[in-house]
Amino acid sequence: DTGVSQDPRHKITKRGQNVTFRCDPISEHNRLYWYRQTLGQGPEFLTYFQNEAQLEKSRLLSDRFSAERPKGSFSTLEIQRTEQGDSAMYLCASSSPPGRVTYEQYFGPGTRLTVT
Amino acid sequence: AQKITQTQPGMFVQEKEAVTLDCTYDTSDQSYGLFWYKQPSSGEMIFLIYQGSYDEQNATEGRYSLNFQKARKSANLVISASQLGDSAMYFCAMRGSTSYGKLTFGQGTILTVHP
Repeated sequence: DTGVSQDPRHKITKRGQNVTFRCDPISEHNRLYWYRQTLGQGPEFLTYFQNEAQLEKSRLLSDRFSAERPKGSFSTLEIQRTEQGDSAMYLCASSSPPGRVTYEQYFGPGTRLTVT
Repeated sequence: AQKITQTQPGMFVQEKEAVTLDCTYDTSDQSYGLFWYKQPSSGEMIFLIYQGSYDEQNATEGRYSLNFQKARKSANLVISASQLGDSAMYFCAMRGSTSYGKLTFGQGTILTVHP
């Protein structure tokens, strides 16, 4: 069990550019979540995948955001035409299938995005 | 919809003493789960403890215990015998029964442990 990994850890981009982040969940976890955390705030939910299906999206996820989870393994989060307001930490989390009482979410180290 | 409120922006505690971090919640769900996570300066969220809404006993995990008062809708985290490594941001979070397990987080409390 190597934990949840995210790549890159840091990304600096200019306004208007596209960026893509990757998340590799814990291998046996079929649930995957993306959250966004701005400075001094708690994480906010963006989207949820169960296996390869994207089952829920937050209203925070504007049309410039898209997420995929092909084959139900790793996931990518793409932001098109980045804006300065997109600057934040993007966190990925995974959890185990139903059957465990808590199915707590395990978080990756996050990708810190800075839009200049 | 769920809401989590953490009213303590910052807390200080002496090493080896106990500290309580406050958390109140609001939900219309009958079944829900409450979590506490620790976020050190490195940024990674570390799961600490879980309490289910139907659990009759307060949850404990090592030096962490959750003081669950359902009628007051509070789920305070108690850290006993504080250590310097406990200095971090602490988040209370909730999972409702009508979502796909997504978490709603509070604003967090920064805990500083003094030697």
